[in-house]
Amino acid sequence: DAGITQSPRHKVTETGTPVTLRCHQTENHRYMYWYRQDPGHGLRLIHYSYGVKDTDKGEVSDGYSVSRSKTEDFLLTLESATSSQTSVYFCAISESAREQYFGPGTRLTVT
Amino acid sequence: LAKTTQPISMDSYEGQEVNITCSHNNIATNDYITWYQQFPSQGPRFIIQGYKTKVTNEVASLFIPADRKSSTLSLPRVSLSDTAVYYCLVGDQNTDKLIFGTGTRLQVFP
Repeated sequence: DAGITQSPRHKVTETGTPVTLRCHQTENHRYMYWYRQDPGHGLRLIHYSYGVKDTDKGEVSDGYSVSRSKTEDFLLTLESATSSQTSVYFCAISESAREQYFGPGTRLTVT
Repeated sequence: LAKTTQPISMDSYEGQEVNITCSHNNIATNDYITWYQQFPSQGPRFIIQGYKTKVTNEVASLFIPADRKSSTLSLPRVSLSDTAVYYCLVGDQNTDKLIFGTGTRLQVFP
């Protein structure tokens, strides 16, 4: 498996609190992605990065921000969590967008 | 990015060959076709990729007709462990993002 980890793996938080999810890679891949997966919607791209400090929005970026200060780390922040952001979050890495490697996922519950 | 359409679900039995077809009528000249597999509670896993004709690896085959408006993922002799969701995606070599649809949920029965 590609060297990609996500932390935390599970988190329960209250509405209105800030939450940061971390994705860490040891592959030195250029691209990193954050997706969310909900029943009936498949995987939806939130934000992605094509290099250190270079990020762009995906399909469902509202309410999320990202940062990438080092090649190996890509952080996803929910500034003020809402119940609609309860989901499973996957990080992915790649050298070519056509072949991505996914992390184990983070299950986030906002109560 | 080209939109893809695939069946929502399929059923099969162990030992059978399964073919999942994906439609991508607006595929661009430079687009490649990529398939991913996802097991419950795991992230998707790359299976196979192709541009035209046929591609085969140790897991599956990918058939792409000349007009490239569709593609078929073929899984030979499926087992229970092939029960998963399969996603078809298209994108060019310079694409920096992929769009996943809802995929095809394959259920393999004993």
